[in-house]
Amino acid sequence: KQEVTQIPAALSVPEGENLVLNCSFTDSAIYNLQWFRQDPGKGLTSLLLIQSSQREQTSGRLNASLDKSSGRSTLYIAASQPGDSATYLCAVGNQAGTALIFGKGTTLSVSS
Amino acid sequence: DGGITQSPKYLFRKEGQNVTLSCEQNLNHDAMYWYRQDPGQGLRLIYYSQIVNDFQKGDIAEGYSVSREKKESFPLTVTSAQKNPTAFYLCASSKRDNYGYTFGSGTRLTVV
Repeated sequence: KQEVTQIPAALSVPEGENLVLNCSFTDSAIYNLQWFRQDPGKGLTSLLLIQSSQREQTSGRLNASLDKSSGRSTLYIAASQPGDSATYLCAVGNQAGTALIFGKGTTLSVSS
Repeated sequence: DGGITQSPKYLFRKEGQNVTLSCEQNLNHDAMYWYRQDPGQGLRLIYYSQIVNDFQKGDIAEGYSVSREKKESFPLTVTSAQKNPTAFYLCASSKRDNYGYTFGSGTRLTVV
């Protein structure tokens, strides 16, 4: 059974710092991997989707990488801002048409 | 604008009572999902549906039921058999290959 783990569970950084969030999964035969952002008491917002054939995706200050063979993905956030404070969730799709399996998330706090 | 609407935002259930959470989407997505979120637990899959009149159990389906009579709608019923229903419930939809995964704003259910 696929399991998704995110480390660390919480992270606090000063504004302007570059940071990396980690995601690992136990079964490397994935279809795709997605990163989401969740603000307190809200739904999730999709940030980046990486297909299994891709190595990375970029959107603005965000860059997500995927290494299927090692079962790892990282989300890199450049020049962090207080508005980046939120919980970031990694999710794996095992096959086309199946539901995503989520990690427990990393809660990020960026101080000004 | 297209999106997913969950209602109500807050719901209170008495012991032994069934309640139904609404989820409607106008994104023309084929697939719809229900997740439960507890503090520190991440998102856990309850049910999902890839096409009308068909749905599959997720990891924690016991005590819940769903229907998919229309493409736009995927209501979730929390039955009296669910012994610990207090949680944040999130509905999502996607195209069949997990592209465009979109979440609603959630329903917070509390047992009183």
